[in-house]
Amino acid sequence: QITLKESGPMLVKPTQTLTLTCTFSGFSLSTTGVGVGWIRQPPGKALEWLALINWNDDKRYSPSLRSRLTITKDTSKNQVVLTMTNMDPVDTATYYCAHGVYGDYFRYWGQGTLVTVSS
Amino acid sequence: SSELTQDPAVSVALGQTVRITCQGDSLRSYYATWYQQKPGQAPVLVIYGKNNRPSGIPDRFSGSSSGNTASLTITGAQAEDEADYYCHSRDSSGNHLVFATGTKVTVL
Repeated sequence: QITLKESGPMLVKPTQTLTLTCTFSGFSLSTTGVGVGWIRQPPGKALEWLALINWNDDKRYSPSLRSRLTITKDTSKNQVVLTMTNMDPVDTATYYCAHGVYGDYFRYWGQGTLVTVSS
Repeated sequence: SSELTQDPAVSVALGQTVRITCQGDSLRSYYATWYQQKPGQAPVLVIYGKNNRPSGIPDRFSGSSSGNTASLTITGAQAEDEADYYCHSRDSSGNHLVFATGTKVTVL
């Protein structure tokens, strides 16, 4: 059974750096074709893809957020970490991590974690 | 701005068929993936690849594509199908992913 769970702060201040951890089970990020992506959703708005890290450490980022994002993986811990710098209130959203297959679709999703950016 | 576009909303009578479309140049080269999202829940994958359904997704959901338009069809819509549906694919470069803005489906 594949599960993913996001963890991190619920509240961050403007200009701070957000660090989110995705802890997963039921699969290995060293398996060919497997990746973990991050997607966010502001309240009442659409999904937005942020980043993806693949089994071969290939990393992809949303072009509009590329300068602020870093994605890393720790295969031994079954974790993927996303950092986003210079947080702004418009970054308030539910952040999801998801199991990806060849970067083409996300089959399994975490429950999401709501991050609020406010002073 | 998103490189994939969807109609904001569509309604369907109970038991009838509804088609949700997603348009974008990248869809000429890449498959669209479709997700269903109900309020307060994480998205659920409903269609991927040419027309594949994960286990547990009813066969009333199907996908198709023609040119720059991908479609998700619900044949015989049920009350539980009322949700937001998002199209997802690669961008025109093929190097990044993108979600469309979603379609709210109301079952009357």
